[in-house]
Amino acid sequence: RKEVEQDPGPFNVPEGATVAFNCTYSNSASQSFFWYRQDCRKEPKLLMSVYSSGNEDGRFTAQLNRASQYISLLIRDSKLSDSATYLCVVKSHGNKLVFGAGTILRVKS
Amino acid sequence: DTGVSQNPRHKITKRGQNVTFRCDPISEHNRLYWYRQTLGQGPEFLTYFQNEAQLEKSRLLSDRFSAERPKGSFSTLEIQRTEQGDSAMYLCASSLAETGELFFGEGSRLTVL
Repeated sequence: RKEVEQDPGPFNVPEGATVAFNCTYSNSASQSFFWYRQDCRKEPKLLMSVYSSGNEDGRFTAQLNRASQYISLLIRDSKLSDSATYLCVVKSHGNKLVFGAGTILRVKS
Repeated sequence: DTGVSQNPRHKITKRGQNVTFRCDPISEHNRLYWYRQTLGQGPEFLTYFQNEAQLEKSRLLSDRFSAERPKGSFSTLEIQRTEQGDSAMYLCASSLAETGELFFGEGSRLTVL
């Protein structure tokens, strides 16, 4: 079983839609969680950290459920520019960050 | 440009040859990571350094791979006797220990013929 698992998608949604991605992790001792965004043929960039209490940044909301070991990302009012691959990232033992395979989002006009 | 710099950006080599990639991290960052990414997959952890010390190395990394960060600044990743399965994008990232956010370079794409 992979340490971090994501639905690869693609999620095809119209502009203005709300879309949610989930991610599950296997190491119950994991301490830190993140969502990174990767545009086609570009390097990954941090989108947001995920805190236990949940956190919001504009149209983006991240949630953590430690009991079920999953992380979610909600995007409201999708824009064309949100089209990208969203990578779920878990800080495993030590300082190693483990990436999921990513979820592809395509926002259509 | 004060971001993470990697070179070469592209490398095409024949099977069996050695290749070396260089990474220059953001200057004040004390942690440096190497990842490998293939099409349709997320970045796969290879190794990381805190200053000049290599603190962790993936079990997936064979003996043909070696990384160094001799003065705690730039790092090199060498692959000896390359195989076709080594073809991938090799990503370097740096971070501050306190924040943990990874800043990635644009990567070095390796093609082994």
